[in-house]
Amino acid sequence: KAGVTQTPRYLIKTRGQQVTLSCSPISGHRSVSWYQQTPGQGLQFLFEYFSETQRNKGNFPGRFSGRQFSNSRSEMNVSTLELGDSALYLCASRTDRETQYFGPGTRLLVL
Amino acid sequence: EDKVVQSPLSLVVHEGDTVTLNCSYEVTNFRSLLWYKQEKKAPTFLFMLTSSGIEKKSGRLSSILDKKELSSILNITATQTGDSAIYLCAVENYGQNFVFGPGTRLSVLP
Repeated sequence: KAGVTQTPRYLIKTRGQQVTLSCSPISGHRSVSWYQQTPGQGLQFLFEYFSETQRNKGNFPGRFSGRQFSNSRSEMNVSTLELGDSALYLCASRTDRETQYFGPGTRLLVL
Repeated sequence: EDKVVQSPLSLVVHEGDTVTLNCSYEVTNFRSLLWYKQEKKAPTFLFMLTSSGIEKKSGRLSSILDKKELSSILNITATQTGDSAIYLCAVENYGQNFVFGPGTRLSVLP
């Protein structure tokens, strides 16, 4: 079974721009969660989508948004980028009962 | 607010040593505790613990949960340089949220 895939793997943007990251879950997994990982804050939960609906949300500003498609693929969008948004963005998928499996991440650098 | 604390934050040992990593948590509606290993990229799943006192083992790694003390330990015996990584502890609640600890950075020297 193929693992969780994320695109792109690396991205450089400038302040004020917006960015869209993509995540394809493991086949059969309907839940997709997004995390931000920085050296200072560790792994922080952004939101979770299940069957195209946002099921949970972390404490991030409204500039961070996401969606999930009918094939369970998910996208995360960050608008009006700030320097502090530079991070590794990880996506994880799972069935409803098991643990979650992480993708390789997208490393975003905001200049 | 749900919280996960790990100790130590950083550890340097030599090959062959045994290490014990600690995780404690404050979570409402606890469902499970998970351990992950993160090398350069994505965290990889090690163990999921839901019941107190039951040890989960995989090779040289083992973990146990103490629900009374709201804590867990991860043991690694006969460490190897390939064990060098960040070990993350996460707790899941019944709202299906995962809260991660800051991680323990383990360095195993030859």
